[in-house]
Amino acid sequence: KQEVTQIPAALSVPEGENLVLNCSFTDSAIYNLQWFRQDPGKGLTSLLLIQSSQREQTSGRLNASLDKSSGRSTLYIAASQPGDSATYLCAISGGGADGLTFGKGTHLIIQP
Amino acid sequence: NAGVTQTPKFQVLKTGQSMTLQCAQDMNHEYMSWYRQDPGMGLRLIHYSVGAGITDQGEVPNGYNVSRSTTEDFPLRLLSAAPSQTSVYFCASSYSAGAKNSPLHFGNGTRLTVT
Repeated sequence: KQEVTQIPAALSVPEGENLVLNCSFTDSAIYNLQWFRQDPGKGLTSLLLIQSSQREQTSGRLNASLDKSSGRSTLYIAASQPGDSATYLCAISGGGADGLTFGKGTHLIIQP
Repeated sequence: NAGVTQTPKFQVLKTGQSMTLQCAQDMNHEYMSWYRQDPGMGLRLIHYSVGAGITDQGEVPNGYNVSRSTTEDFPLRLLSAAPSQTSVYFCASSYSAGAKNSPLHFGNGTRLTVT
């Protein structure tokens, strides 16, 4: 069974810093990997989706990488802002309809 | 675009009561699903549907029923509420479960408390 781990569970950094969030998974036979953002009391917003054949995806200040052989993905946030404060979740699709396997998230606080 | 709409946003039930959580999407997505989110447990799949008339069980289906009579709607029914069903429930949809480039879109959730 796929297991997804996100480290650290919480992170607090000053505004303007570049930072990296980590996601590791146990089964390299993945279909795609998604990074989501969740604000308090809200649903999840898809930030980036990396297909299994891809190595990275970029959107604005966000860059996500995928290394299937090592079972790792990273989400890089450049020039962090207080508005980036949220919980970030990593999720893996195995290709079936039986849903995504989620990590428990990294709670990120950007200090003004 | 409304995206994925869930109602109600909050609900308090007494043990043994039944209710339906509503979910509607306006993106013509084939795939719809229900998750529950609990502290320390993360998100877990309850039921899913790959199209109108087709539903299947996820990881934690006990105590819940679903139906998919239209592409747009995917209601979740709690048959006899129990305190263990206290959670935040999310409905999510995507264009296709089988497409590699098909991100999952979430509603804003229903926070359910069972006393």
